[in-house]
Amino acid sequence: DTGVSQDPRHKITKRGQNVTFRCDPISEHNRLYWYRQTLGQGPEFLTYFQNEAQLEKSRLLSDRFSAERPKGSFSTLEIQRTEQGDSAMYLCASSLAGLANSRFPETQYFGPGTRLLVL
Amino acid sequence: TQLLEQSPQFLSIQEGENLTVYCNSSSVFSSLQWYRQEPGEGPVLLVTVVTGGEVKKLKRLTFQFGDARKDSSLHITAAQPGDTGLYLCAGAGFGNEKLTFGTGTRLTIIP
Repeated sequence: DTGVSQDPRHKITKRGQNVTFRCDPISEHNRLYWYRQTLGQGPEFLTYFQNEAQLEKSRLLSDRFSAERPKGSFSTLEIQRTEQGDSAMYLCASSLAGLANSRFPETQYFGPGTRLLVL
Repeated sequence: TQLLEQSPQFLSIQEGENLTVYCNSSSVFSSLQWYRQEPGEGPVLLVTVVTGGEVKKLKRLTFQFGDARKDSSLHITAAQPGDTGLYLCAGAGFGNEKLTFGTGTRLTIIP
């Protein structure tokens, strides 16, 4: 257990439905990341937050995807009008970002993931 | 776009044998991390290497970062069934916090 929790762990939905996932990071961590992992592949970056600010979004994050971190603690990832191609494991990671240009690398701790199946 | 290629993709060996997994890129990374992932779970960090040429040992696992910081290897000595899993390398760019993951090596150790 890394201290990062995700809910739900599994979600089955029908095409066209909306789904929302939650991530609770390690409490003192200021950065929170979302990744997507399809079967047989490594995780791919979707977006990340520093505190409540969303600082980067991947081209993979279409208009149907939205992520929030309203109070700089937990985060939600919503997918609207789900498609079968959205079926994947959605992973959340958190880290404590240090000083700019720090020589010490930032370590990301991953949650157990939410496995989404769109029928 | 930074890409990381891992080889082999799949590896199945007998308990007690040694193995090496490679992670290669044409890009330079500020640091490189190795994770192990069990089915249905998130990746768990094994090690982070930062300096070109760095070697880190974690019990029977030895990690090396290439001199040019473009590649890395993971060597396991006397593999055990508990080593079975998906091994992922991930690179961090300079001033770029997101991780770029490799394609993964699925390792199976046969008792």
